[in-house]
Amino acid sequence: EVQLVESGGGLVKPGGSLKLSCAASGFAFSSYDMSWVRQTPEKRLEWVAYISSGGGSTYYPDTVKGRFTISRDNAKNTLYLQMSSLKSEDTAMYYCARHDSGYPFAYWGQGTLVTVSA
Amino acid sequence: DIQMTQSPSSLSASLGERVSLTCRASQEISGYLSWLQQKPDGTIKRLIYAASTLDSGVPKRFSGSRSGSDYSLTISSLESEDFADYYCLQYASYPWTFGGGTKLEIK
Repeated sequence: EVQLVESGGGLVKPGGSLKLSCAASGFAFSSYDMSWVRQTPEKRLEWVAYISSGGGSTYYPDTVKGRFTISRDNAKNTLYLQMSSLKSEDTAMYYCARHDSGYPFAYWGQGTLVTVSA
Repeated sequence: DIQMTQSPSSLSASLGERVSLTCRASQEISGYLSWLQQKPDGTIKRLIYAASTLDSGVPKRFSGSRSGSDYSLTISSLESEDFADYYCLQYASYPWTFGGGTKLEIK
């Protein structure tokens, strides 16, 4: 069974940093592209980062480019999202998701909550 | 960026009723569209990809279709577990973007 478990969320001050993790199990993690998606308190969904299976390709929307970095450790079956220069508008539930054969977001984790507030 | 306009934003319907949700893309997305379901506990599940391909294990009462730039999710006969939030998503080009969501409630 595919399992994705996010962790690392919490309360952080504006301008601060936070690193999220997503532990994967039940599948060959190194064979799959992955993404992070966030859901705002208004329930709007926004894709925030993509990484290819081997880690060689990454993509970000302009809203987080230069502030967020997606990475992975295939030996540890873990996906990461390093977030810096955080703003109040980054407050959201952050989900990791697995892609499938070129079709994104086939499986989702349960999410980890990030709150950016003074 | 491609804008996905989803309608309606909320819908009240009865058990056994047939309902349809729609997403309109601001640019051509050539069928690169998925539908997602989010339950009240936050669990998100993909139902459909490539506009009309049902994910494994998804009940056949769900179906997806396309008419020009309009994409639809249809539930043929509502069951209690179908009352949830639904989102469309385009992955034709970066940045991938989502519709605003439809809240499906019991009438």
